[in-house]
Amino acid sequence: NAGVTQTPKFRILKIGQSMTLQCAQDMNHNYMYWYRQDPGMGLKLIYYSVGAGITDKGEVPNGYNVSRSTTEDFPLRLELAAPSQTSVYFCASSHIPREQYFGPGTRLTVT
Amino acid sequence: AQTVTQSQPEMSVQEAETVTLSCTYDTSESDYYLFWYKQPPSRQMILVIRQEAYKQQNATENRFSVNFQKAAKSFSLKISDSQLGDAAMYFCAYRSASGLGGATNKLIFGTGTLLAVQP
Repeated sequence: NAGVTQTPKFRILKIGQSMTLQCAQDMNHNYMYWYRQDPGMGLKLIYYSVGAGITDKGEVPNGYNVSRSTTEDFPLRLELAAPSQTSVYFCASSHIPREQYFGPGTRLTVT
Repeated sequence: AQTVTQSQPEMSVQEAETVTLSCTYDTSESDYYLFWYKQPPSRQMILVIRQEAYKQQNATENRFSVNFQKAAKSFSLKISDSQLGDAAMYFCAYRSASGLGGATNKLIFGTGTLLAVQP
């Protein structure tokens, strides 16, 4: 099993550009999550999904969108990138009530 | 709302020694999970240990063990026989056990403790 994979590992965006962060898991988990980690802080939940076709907002959803067309994939879309979105983004998955498994993260810089 | 507090921004330990990282949390729930995650310089979030609130027995995983004090809402991590590879940021996290998933099962993180291991 590859676990949770994320692409790209690094990205630099200009203000106003858009991009999609990819996340995939091969553990057949129903639950998937997107977190962001700002410097010196813990992770905060952006969006989550409880299954294909079902998504909902977390604590900090503004400026992001998600979709979940399959169990395996949970992409995160950034529209009109802003410097405040400079962060490290983590995707995670879980089979409730088990612990969440994290991907390696994507470091995004918006300049 | 639940909160997690790690009051030690940085800790240092000599190789082969024992170190304890502190974590306190605040919740009105009776059923929940607590976790310690390790984040090395690679940034990968690695689960170290998990504790179910309904279990009185403290969880252990090889050199890692916890001291779970439910009444005091305290959840410390003890690392025995510290190794150079233990150097990392350690995050304490809380998750509600109620609900059917989604935001109610999100992880709530502390701000982390950066552990240095001296050779």
